[in-house]
Amino acid sequence: SAVISQKPSRDICQRGTSLTIQCQVDSQVTMMFWYRQQPGQSLTLIATANQGSEATYESGFVIDKFPISRPNLTFSTLTVSNMSPEDSSIYLCSVEGVEGYNSYEQYFGPGTRLTVT
Amino acid sequence: GEDVEQSLFLSVREGDSSVINCTYTDSSSTYLYWYKQEPGAGLQLLTYIFSNMDMKQDQRLTVLLNKKDKHLSLRIADTQTGDSAIYFCAERTDYGQNFVFGPGTRLSVLP
Repeated sequence: SAVISQKPSRDICQRGTSLTIQCQVDSQVTMMFWYRQQPGQSLTLIATANQGSEATYESGFVIDKFPISRPNLTFSTLTVSNMSPEDSSIYLCSVEGVEGYNSYEQYFGPGTRLTVT
Repeated sequence: GEDVEQSLFLSVREGDSSVINCTYTDSSSTYLYWYKQEPGAGLQLLTYIFSNMDMKQDQRLTVLLNKKDKHLSLRIADTQTGDSAIYFCAERTDYGQNFVFGPGTRLSVLP
């Protein structure tokens, strides 16, 4: 499968600040997604990162709070803006359409553990 | 709407078989997946099954799909301590790219 890295792996941030999380894949992929996993919970899709156009957000998530970039087929960023303690979660990048693999296989990065104080 | 349910906890003895169950509501599901999440890690794709299949076997893993009852199970043979993790069931619907994840089953393997 593709090798997916995320930076930072974890961070502790102050309320009101913003953090940008990077997701890098070692091969070109068709689709990139961002998920949130709140403590002890399952995964919730935040948005689909579209190359060259605005991300597609799921219900309950907005661009002003979670701006996303995808400048090419191997890289995406998610920014968590104006953070509050409720944003403390693990943020996961995932990809689909990895060259040489079934397009229905979705692979996940290691996650970024964010704590907001 | 889409909903995926799993029991939250399962304990088994080392060497026994584990069976993790999942039910889903969307009859238009095309693919169903099992992911494993170890502490502090991301999700590892274990296996998946296309909705027109009943069974898929991959080494110690056996996936059974009962489409009529919308029931999916993952059997792990000869369970080892390294299998201790949270296992997520997920469905992909016919009409979207979205995955819907279940709440996860925490598998504890006792020596």
